[in-house]
Parts: sequence; structure tokens; C-alpha cells
Amino acid sequence: QQQVKQSPQSLIVQKGGISIINCAYENTAFDYFPWYQQFPGKGPALLIAIRPDVSEKKEGRFTISFNKSAKQFSLHIMDSQPGDSATYFCAASSVMESNTGKLIFGQGTTLQVKP
Amino acid sequence: DTGVSQDPRHKITKRGQNVTFRCDPISEHNRLYWYRQTLGQGPEFLTYFQNEAQLEKSRLLSDRFSAERPKGSFSTLEIQRTEQGDSAMYLCASSLVRGQNEQFFGPGTRLTVL
Repeated sequence: QQQVKQSPQSLIVQKGGISIINCAYENTAFDYFPWYQQFPGKGPALLIAIRPDVSEKKEGRFTISFNKSAKQFSLHIMDSQPGDSATYFCAASSVMESNTGKLIFGQGTTLQVKP
Repeated sequence: DTGVSQDPRHKITKRGQNVTFRCDPISEHNRLYWYRQTLGQGPEFLTYFQNEAQLEKSRLLSDRFSAERPKGSFSTLEIQRTEQGDSAMYLCASSLVRGQNEQFFGPGTRLTVL
């Protein structure tokens, strides 16, 4: 019930293309869904996050689409650039179930953007 | 730099030795988290502090692990009698109780147990 499943495991996109990463969850108590970007040897960096009361959130080239009924959310990276090549993690937390706000992470997607 | 800092960045130790890591959260952040990340996996929650109180510990945190946040500012994570399975990246994150609970991560401490 605590699991967050992420796909694909790896993704290769041409420069200028759209990168799409998907996540699915089981726990309906989750109420916060962030995406993190991680470069080798670095800590994860918060990219964008959404709460279940909205279906989409956009920040620059990054968009989260959220489908509450399907218990799925996805990250879209528009106009993908070689500098976007990194590992991306989705995550989820529930303030209701755990007042700590601890994050449950997906397994990660390694994105390579070819020039 | 006003972000989360961790020290050391890398630690190589022999099996059976004790190690201690330090995390300095973003100033005024009262929530502090420790996560562990193994190669090719997402971070896994270890423990959580709100101010100086340790409010949750994962079952991943065996009795060889201990964490403290004595004055509600920096935190330490100690691993006693290290095992090769402890080799991982140890990440610290901080956030505010108020707001969206946006967690900001430090650069991590890479532990290698030989």
C-alpha cells in the first residue's frame, strides 16, 4: 500500500522532444506528489509538486498531470534538452496517515536527451 | 550557501567500524529527515525529527543506527559496527511544518564499507 510504481526505468529522447514519465500509487491517503531530479553524485532536487485537488500544474517546461480516479500522475518535460539528462523520481506522502510527511519514492527513471 | 549541507561527502570504512554523519538543515526548517539511497533505487525513509524530537523511525533503522538532533538544528546519524550492506548514499532533507512540506535535500554522504 505504501508503494509508488514508476515507469519507464529508462528513457531516451531526442533534443526538442517531449519526455513523459509515469507513476502509479495505491494508497488513496496520499495527498502530496512531488517530482525530483537527481544528477550523479548529487542529492535530489525538487522540480515540481502537485496536490490532488488539481489535475495539472505547469512550471516552465515541466508539467505534472494528475488523475485521481486512476491513481496515476505523470511528469512531462517539453522541449527536452541535453541538460535534462538525469534520473527523475516521483514521490508521494500523506499528512493524514503520517504527520511526518515522509516521502515514498518511485524507483526512478534515467532520462537521456540526445543532441 | 543556504541549502542543506552534509558532512562528510564521502566515507570509506572497514566492516565493524563506527561512522557518524552530520546534517545541517536550512535555517528555520523545523522538520529534518534522513533517507538512504542504494544504487539504482529511490531514497528510502529512515527517520524524522520535528525540532529536537525524533517522531518516527523506519524498520530499516536497525538498532545499530542512531540519530540525534540535540538542539533542533543540526542532526547526526551514527552507524555502529558497520556492515557491507550499509554501503549507500545517506541523504538528509529539511522542510517547514507549515506550508506544502517541500523537502529540500542535501548532497548526501556516500558510505562505502569494505
